[in-house]
Amino acid sequence: AQKVTQAQTEISVVEKEDVTLDCVYETRDTTYYLFWYKQPPSGELVFLIRRNSFDEQNEISGRYSWNFQKSTSSFNFTITASQVVDSAVYFCALSEAAGNTGNQFYFGTGTSLTVIP
Amino acid sequence: NAGVTQTPKFRVLKTGQSMTLLCAQDMNHEYMYWYRQDPGMGLRLIHYSVGEGTTAKGEVPDGYNVSRLKKQNFLLGLESAAPSQTSVYFCASSYGRDREFVDQPQHFGDGTRLSIL
Repeated sequence: AQKVTQAQTEISVVEKEDVTLDCVYETRDTTYYLFWYKQPPSGELVFLIRRNSFDEQNEISGRYSWNFQKSTSSFNFTITASQVVDSAVYFCALSEAAGNTGNQFYFGTGTSLTVIP
Repeated sequence: NAGVTQTPKFRVLKTGQSMTLLCAQDMNHEYMYWYRQDPGMGLRLIHYSVGEGTTAKGEVPDGYNVSRLKKQNFLLGLESAAPSQTSVYFCASSYGRDREFVDQPQHFGDGTRLSIL
């Protein structure tokens, strides 16, 4: 079973629209960590944010915000007033504490975001 | 400020040939990883290492071997390349100690695009 599900394969929005990327995870651990990464067309993977399972406070960084809800096992990512430079593939990842030798991640399959000018 | 460096960036092989991908990190990280990225499948872990001289299998280890003779280097080998191994390969590293620290982000190289004909 997939531990991290990103159901949206591809999303297209017009510049300046808001967009939310969904991430649903599955774990039995009480301690775990969630991450978002950005992969622009140039191909590198860029770390965006980490959230631990004990901190449900939403995070805002400029135009980016993250909504963590344990009740629905979701860690969604919203981009406000999208820009062309936001066009990328975005990955959500899970790291579980129990039995995790080596800080192994489970990655979702990614959401490809295209922002149309 | 190199971070994680992968060589080569591109390579074309014929079926049955062998090659080694090199990953080097200058962050003194204990943990290192090799992933492959295929369309619609996200990032899948091939092998990982929790320290110099140690390696372990990930989700898709078949057809690959790895070595971690020096802390800063992690080599991925294909002994007899097959077309199914055509992919983009990413190396990553993260801070860790004593097989713990599951909250650390992984830092990625720029990837190696490998085509096997």
